[in-house]
Amino acid sequence: EDQVTQSPEALRLQEGESSSLNCSYTVSGLRGLFWYRQDPGKGPEFLFTLYSAGEEKEKERLKATLTKKESFLHITAPKPEDSATYLCAVQVGDMRFGAGTRLTVKP
Amino acid sequence: KAGVTQTPRYLIKTRGQQVTLSCSPISGHRSVSWYQQTPGQGLQFLFEYFSETQRNKGNFPGRFSGRQFSNSRSEMNVSTLELGDSALYLCASSPSRLNTGELFFGEGSRLTVL
Repeated sequence: EDQVTQSPEALRLQEGESSSLNCSYTVSGLRGLFWYRQDPGKGPEFLFTLYSAGEEKEKERLKATLTKKESFLHITAPKPEDSATYLCAVQVGDMRFGAGTRLTVKP
Repeated sequence: KAGVTQTPRYLIKTRGQQVTLSCSPISGHRSVSWYQQTPGQGLQFLFEYFSETQRNKGNFPGRFSGRQFSNSRSEMNVSTLELGDSALYLCASSPSRLNTGELFFGEGSRLTVL
């Protein structure tokens, strides 16, 4: 069965403390892996699309990477405004979302 | 450019009632997909519409249905509401089919079933 697992469930960082979020997947026929950010009371906001192993995308303090079995979202020197839930999703016909990682960055 | 608009934002219903939610996609976007988000199950795919046709359906009972109009606006309906249907219902649009790119989400319709 197609599955997407994100870890950790929650992550608390000090401002400037870099870290990584993990998204592991077991799917057949992956058509794309997506990262989204969701703020409380809002819909998810698109961040990145990755299509093939070895691919990397960057945006400000965020960098997403993809291997054959997992993706990482690296956050470099995070700021309090980076606090949000980060969702990973895979495209296998429909979209399958992970449960998300709730990131809190303390000043 | 206006974003995805969902109405109503909040609603309260009782068990056994039915509800209709509306979604206006970004102008020019032809694909609309719907998702249910709950604390326990996370974001789950309901269905996708493209050019007024349902293209894909998630694993939800037949009480959940939807449609898309010629102007790409979409509605979803849930009949015979159950307590477990309480959730945030999110609509997302994209320029083309679901498997070709990013999704633009609305802010959701929060349904509470009492």
